[in-house]
Amino acid sequence: NAGVTQTPKFRVLKTGQSMTLLCAQDMNHEYMYWYRQDPGMGLRLIHYSVGEGTTAKGEVPDGYNVSRLKKQNFLLGLESAAPSQTSVYFCASSYSPDRLYEQYFGPGTRLTVT
Amino acid sequence: SQQGEEDPQALSIQEGENATMNCSYKTSINNLQWYRQNSGRGLVHLILIRSNEREKHSGRLRVTLDTSKKSSSLLITASRAADTASYFCATRTQGGSEKLVFGKGTKLTVNP
Repeated sequence: NAGVTQTPKFRVLKTGQSMTLLCAQDMNHEYMYWYRQDPGMGLRLIHYSVGEGTTAKGEVPDGYNVSRLKKQNFLLGLESAAPSQTSVYFCASSYSPDRLYEQYFGPGTRLTVT
Repeated sequence: SQQGEEDPQALSIQEGENATMNCSYKTSINNLQWYRQNSGRGLVHLILIRSNEREKHSGRLRVTLDTSKKSSSLLITASRAADTASYFCATRTQGGSEKLVFGKGTKLTVNP
Protein backbone atom coordinates (compact mmCIF):
# COMPACT_ATOMS: atom_id res chain seq x y z
CA ASN A 1 0.00 0.00 0.00
CA ALA A 2 1.23 3.50 -0.82
CA GLY A 3 -0.72 4.97 2.11
CA VAL A 4 -1.37 8.69 1.68
CA THR A 5 0.28 10.43 -1.25
CA GLN A 6 0.35 14.11 -2.16
CA THR A 7 0.99 15.83 -5.46
CA PRO A 8 3.01 17.97 -6.04
CA LYS A 9 5.79 17.95 -3.43
CA PHE A 10 6.91 21.51 -4.12
CA ARG A 11 5.34 24.45 -5.91
CA VAL A 12 6.06 28.13 -6.35
CA LEU A 13 3.16 30.39 -7.31
CA LYS A 14 2.86 34.06 -8.03
CA THR A 15 0.25 36.11 -6.21
CA GLY A 16 -3.12 35.66 -7.88
CA GLN A 17 -2.37 32.34 -9.53
CA SER A 18 -4.45 29.27 -8.83
CA MET A 19 -3.55 25.67 -8.19
CA THR A 20 -4.91 22.37 -6.95
CA LEU A 21 -3.21 20.03 -4.52
CA LEU A 22 -4.12 16.38 -4.84
CA CYS A 23 -4.29 13.90 -1.98
CA ALA A 24 -4.86 10.22 -2.59
CA GLN A 25 -5.20 7.32 -0.15
CA ASP A 26 -5.45 3.61 -0.86
CA MET A 27 -6.60 2.48 2.60
CA ASN A 28 -10.35 2.86 1.97
CA HIS A 29 -10.56 5.53 4.68
CA GLU A 30 -13.79 7.45 5.11
CA TYR A 31 -12.30 10.58 6.60
CA MET A 32 -9.80 12.92 4.96
CA TYR A 33 -8.28 16.18 6.13
CA TRP A 34 -6.19 19.10 4.86
CA TYR A 35 -3.88 20.91 7.28
CA ARG A 36 -1.37 23.68 6.95
CA GLN A 37 1.75 23.87 9.07
CA ASP A 38 3.53 27.14 9.73
CA PRO A 39 6.57 27.73 11.95
CA GLY A 40 5.54 27.98 15.59
CA MET A 41 1.87 27.36 14.79
CA GLY A 42 1.58 23.59 14.78
CA LEU A 43 -1.00 22.08 12.43
CA ARG A 44 -4.19 23.93 11.64
CA LEU A 45 -7.15 22.27 9.99
CA ILE A 46 -8.28 23.86 6.72
CA HIS A 47 -11.10 21.59 5.52
CA TYR A 48 -12.10 18.01 6.04
CA SER A 49 -14.42 15.35 4.66
CA VAL A 50 -16.32 12.57 6.40
CA GLY A 51 -17.12 10.70 3.21
CA GLU A 52 -17.37 10.83 -0.56
CA GLY A 53 -19.27 13.93 -1.68
CA THR A 54 -19.04 15.69 1.70
CA THR A 55 -16.81 18.53 2.87
CA ALA A 56 -16.71 20.76 5.94
CA LYS A 57 -14.77 23.80 7.10
CA GLY A 58 -11.99 23.58 9.61
CA GLU A 59 -10.21 26.24 11.61
CA VAL A 60 -8.69 28.26 8.71
CA PRO A 61 -10.84 27.69 5.58
CA ASP A 62 -10.69 31.17 4.01
CA GLY A 63 -9.02 31.28 0.60
CA TYR A 64 -9.31 27.52 0.05
CA ASN A 65 -11.86 25.20 -1.52
CA VAL A 66 -12.02 21.41 -1.48
CA SER A 67 -13.74 18.58 -3.27
CA ARG A 68 -14.18 14.86 -2.55
CA LEU A 69 -15.68 13.42 -5.71
CA LYS A 70 -14.08 10.02 -5.14
CA LYS A 71 -13.57 8.32 -1.80
CA GLN A 72 -9.83 7.92 -2.34
CA ASN A 73 -9.12 11.52 -3.42
CA PHE A 74 -9.34 14.85 -1.63
CA LEU A 75 -8.46 18.00 -3.58
CA LEU A 76 -7.45 21.34 -2.10
CA GLY A 77 -7.78 24.39 -4.34
CA LEU A 78 -6.37 27.87 -4.08
CA GLU A 79 -8.30 30.14 -6.44
CA SER A 80 -6.16 33.26 -6.03
CA ALA A 81 -2.98 32.58 -4.13
CA ALA A 82 -1.70 35.08 -1.57
CA PRO A 83 1.71 35.27 0.18
CA SER A 84 -0.05 34.41 3.46
CA GLN A 85 -0.76 30.98 1.97
CA THR A 86 2.96 30.17 1.86
CA SER A 87 3.09 27.07 4.02
CA VAL A 88 3.55 23.33 4.13
CA TYR A 89 0.30 21.51 3.42
CA PHE A 90 -0.44 18.06 4.80
CA CYS A 91 -3.21 15.71 3.90
CA ALA A 92 -4.34 13.00 6.30
CA SER A 93 -6.91 10.24 6.37
CA SER A 94 -8.46 8.06 9.04
CA TYR A 95 -10.74 5.10 9.55
CA SER A 96 -14.37 5.29 10.60
CA PRO A 97 -15.14 6.07 14.24
CA ASP A 98 -14.48 2.64 15.69
CA ARG A 99 -10.77 3.18 15.11
CA LEU A 100 -10.77 6.30 17.24
CA TYR A 101 -9.52 8.60 14.51
CA GLU A 102 -5.85 7.73 14.37
CA GLN A 103 -4.72 9.75 11.36
CA TYR A 104 -2.31 8.78 8.59
CA PHE A 105 -0.40 11.62 7.00
CA GLY A 106 1.02 12.27 3.57
CA PRO A 107 4.56 13.61 3.06
CA GLY A 108 3.46 17.21 2.54
CA THR A 109 3.48 19.86 -0.17
CA ARG A 110 5.72 22.88 0.29
CA LEU A 111 4.05 25.90 -1.32
CA THR A 112 5.66 29.30 -1.75
CA VAL A 113 3.63 32.25 -2.98
CA THR A 114 5.68 35.23 -4.16
CA SER B 1 -7.52 27.47 18.15
CA GLN B 2 -4.98 25.07 19.62
CA GLN B 3 -6.41 22.69 22.19
CA GLY B 4 -3.14 21.11 23.29
CA GLU B 5 -0.03 22.94 24.39
CA GLU B 6 3.22 21.01 24.61
CA ASP B 7 5.94 21.78 27.08
CA PRO B 8 8.82 22.33 26.68
CA GLN B 9 8.95 23.84 23.20
CA ALA B 10 12.43 22.40 22.73
CA LEU B 11 14.43 19.72 24.54
CA SER B 12 18.03 18.63 24.01
CA ILE B 13 19.40 15.48 25.67
CA GLN B 14 22.19 12.95 25.30
CA GLU B 15 21.70 9.52 23.79
CA GLY B 16 20.64 7.03 26.43
CA GLU B 17 18.84 9.59 28.58
CA ASN B 18 15.07 9.71 29.03
CA ALA B 19 12.99 12.44 27.42
CA THR B 20 9.74 13.71 28.91
CA MET B 21 7.30 15.95 27.09
CA ASN B 22 4.09 17.33 28.49
CA CYS B 23 0.79 18.32 26.94
CA SER B 24 -1.98 20.37 28.51
CA TYR B 25 -5.42 20.79 27.02
CA LYS B 26 -8.50 22.84 27.74
CA THR B 27 -11.73 20.90 27.21
CA SER B 28 -12.96 17.39 28.00
CA ILE B 29 -11.58 14.80 25.62
CA ASN B 30 -12.48 11.43 24.21
CA ASN B 31 -8.86 10.47 23.61
CA LEU B 32 -5.40 11.97 23.31
CA GLN B 33 -2.83 10.96 20.72
CA TRP B 34 0.88 11.57 20.26
CA TYR B 35 2.52 11.97 16.86
CA ARG B 36 6.13 12.26 15.73
CA GLN B 37 7.35 14.38 12.82
CA ASN B 38 10.82 13.96 11.42
CA SER B 39 12.26 16.99 9.67
CA GLY B 40 10.63 17.53 6.28
CA ARG B 41 8.21 14.63 6.69
CA GLY B 42 4.58 14.02 7.55
CA LEU B 43 3.37 13.13 11.03
CA VAL B 44 3.40 9.54 12.22
CA HIS B 45 1.01 8.23 14.86
CA LEU B 46 2.77 6.91 17.97
CA ILE B 47 0.21 6.09 20.61
CA LEU B 48 -3.39 6.76 21.63
CA ILE B 49 -4.74 6.90 25.16
CA ARG B 50 -8.45 6.97 25.90
CA SER B 51 -9.97 9.28 28.48
CA ASN B 52 -10.68 6.35 30.84
CA GLU B 53 -7.06 5.15 30.74
CA ARG B 54 -4.29 6.49 32.98
CA GLU B 55 -1.18 4.97 31.47
CA LYS B 56 -0.17 3.19 28.31
CA HIS B 57 3.07 1.67 27.03
CA SER B 58 4.40 0.96 23.57
CA GLY B 59 8.00 -0.19 23.33
CA ARG B 60 10.15 2.61 24.74
CA LEU B 61 7.18 4.96 24.94
CA ARG B 62 5.10 5.57 28.04
CA VAL B 63 2.12 7.90 28.01
CA THR B 64 0.19 9.07 31.04
CA LEU B 65 -3.09 10.94 31.17
CA ASP B 66 -4.50 12.94 34.06
CA THR B 67 -7.97 14.13 33.10
CA SER B 68 -8.41 16.01 36.38
CA LYS B 69 -5.44 18.19 35.47
CA LYS B 70 -6.18 18.06 31.74
CA SER B 71 -2.63 16.98 31.02
CA SER B 72 -0.63 14.17 29.46
CA SER B 73 3.02 13.26 29.33
CA LEU B 74 5.08 11.29 26.84
CA LEU B 75 8.20 9.56 28.13
CA ILE B 76 10.78 8.15 25.73
CA THR B 77 13.22 5.91 27.58
CA ALA B 78 16.82 5.20 26.56
CA SER B 79 16.66 7.75 23.76
CA ARG B 80 18.50 7.32 20.48
CA ALA B 81 19.71 9.81 17.90
CA ALA B 82 16.93 8.51 15.63
CA ASP B 83 14.37 9.84 18.14
CA THR B 84 15.30 13.38 17.10
CA ALA B 85 12.04 14.83 15.83
CA SER B 86 9.13 17.07 16.78
CA TYR B 87 6.43 15.52 18.92
CA PHE B 88 2.81 16.66 18.88
CA CYS B 89 -0.12 15.84 21.07
CA ALA B 90 -3.58 15.83 19.51
CA THR B 91 -6.93 15.64 21.21
CA ARG B 92 -10.30 14.41 20.10
CA THR B 93 -12.99 16.24 22.03
CA GLN B 94 -15.92 14.51 23.68
CA GLY B 95 -19.13 14.41 21.72
CA GLY B 96 -17.82 12.34 18.85
CA SER B 97 -16.01 14.98 16.86
CA GLU B 98 -14.25 13.52 13.84
CA LYS B 99 -11.56 16.18 14.15
CA LEU B 100 -8.28 16.16 16.02
CA VAL B 101 -6.81 19.36 17.41
CA PHE B 102 -3.02 19.50 17.44
CA GLY B 103 -0.66 21.34 19.73
CA LYS B 104 2.37 23.28 18.57
CA GLY B 105 4.85 20.52 19.33
CA THR B 106 8.04 19.83 21.25
CA LYS B 107 11.26 19.72 19.24
CA LEU B 108 13.46 16.95 20.66
CA THR B 109 17.16 16.72 19.82
CA VAL B 110 19.05 13.62 20.92
CA ASN B 111 22.81 14.13 20.72
CA PRO B 112 24.98 11.08 19.98
